[in-house]
Amino acid sequence: GIQVEQSPPDLILQEGANSTLRCNFSDSVNNLQWFHQNPWGQLINLFYIPSGTKQNGRLSATTVATERYSLLYISSSQTTDSGVYFCAVEREWSGGSYIPTFGRGTSLIVHP
Amino acid sequence: ETGVTQTPRHLVMGMTNKKSLKCEQHLGHNAMYWYKQSAKKPLELMFVYSLEERVENNSVPSRFSPECPNSSHLFLHLHTLQPEDSALYLCASSQAVGVSNQPQHFGDGTRLSIL
Repeated sequence: GIQVEQSPPDLILQEGANSTLRCNFSDSVNNLQWFHQNPWGQLINLFYIPSGTKQNGRLSATTVATERYSLLYISSSQTTDSGVYFCAVEREWSGGSYIPTFGRGTSLIVHP
Repeated sequence: ETGVTQTPRHLVMGMTNKKSLKCEQHLGHNAMYWYKQSAKKPLELMFVYSLEERVENNSVPSRFSPECPNSSHLFLHLHTLQPEDSALYLCASSQAVGVSNQPQHFGDGTRLSIL
């Protein structure tokens, strides 16, 4: 099956710092999502980004599908950004279904 | 508020108990999913339902039994679980399966502990 690798696995930042999270995938995909899971386990969809660049406030994401990677940028980090960031890719399975495959996530801690 | 509600939020059960997890979505979506999240592991897809029909069963043991009575509700019936089944169980929904460009919306999860 498709492999999804996220880096770094762990990241510690001081409030106000910027960071870049990376997601590499082993095969061509139809779509890619970034999620944030907060310390209470809630999983929130951040971006749905099969290609190109999107921005939402302090967060932005870029996917280069031809080179099989996506980047999530966090600028001016805040303590509320702490949690785990997951990348999930979708590819077509037999039968025409598009099923997401998740990476292991990047665990981010932002200190005040 | 994601539009996907899971109950209970926490569940502690013995290995011989029978319990059910419930998921309800208020988004008008046609596809629903069960995921398992264990410590230090990626999210594992368990089941996918599209219009109340199961379209994917990702080699899940039979002690987990899903039920989808309608497109808004999804259950996961649990029976004779093992300690390694302790995990966070997440429900998600999307507009459809089999059509690309459909972001998923997740519930808050049920934290399950098996004694």
